[in-house]
Amino acid sequence: SQQGEEDPQALSIQEGENATMNCSYKTSINNLQWYRQNSGRGLVHLILIRSNEREKHSGRLRVTLDTSKKSSSLLITASRAADTASYFCATANFGNEKLTFGTGTRLTIIP
Amino acid sequence: EAGVAQSPRYKIIEKRQSVAFWCNPISGHATLYWYQQILGQGPKLLIQFQNNGVVDDSQLPKDRFSAERLKGVDSTLKIQPAKLEDSAVYLCASSPGVYYGYTFGSGTRLTVV
Repeated sequence: SQQGEEDPQALSIQEGENATMNCSYKTSINNLQWYRQNSGRGLVHLILIRSNEREKHSGRLRVTLDTSKKSSSLLITASRAADTASYFCATANFGNEKLTFGTGTRLTIIP
Repeated sequence: EAGVAQSPRYKIIEKRQSVAFWCNPISGHATLYWYQQILGQGPKLLIQFQNNGVVDDSQLPKDRFSAERLKGVDSTLKIQPAKLEDSAVYLCASSPGVYYGYTFGSGTRLTVV
């Protein structure tokens, strides 16, 4: 079953703009991760945020986590055409390592 | 370091036939996962191995799907007999631990006709 739901399902922005996508989940988590998937390819790990962290940065990526609202957001700043992909959030529960993926946001960067 | 290797890359079979997928994880990664991703959806976990033992196979359709991980390294996923609804990308991933991200292979795209 899907744990997370990403919002929006699809997003199109101009190159150079910032892209924000959100993820909501249902149960308590150990950590939350974001992945990117280019069409027809495997998933690439972007960033991991632990349940006791509120914000994390990696290059042009900024992730926030609000455990009280059971939600997370991924911000991509200064978007590039190469950022065009599907983005998935995935949650890991306490006690095991398995990840449960959301439904994904399809991001299109318009040159 | 080498990535997660999967083969074949593509497979087309007729319904009721059998098929097998192979995965070689990153060396030293104790945990291996098989996911099924239907077009337009997020990946769904089929089975999780820790070394050569099964940790979670609650979403594996055991009447037709089977998986094994030999000597805690390579793994194979088999479908017998295949149904039309098994058409999907089958992804293998490995991880060194709970606070690390997964490394995914490129996947096997299965089409059942």
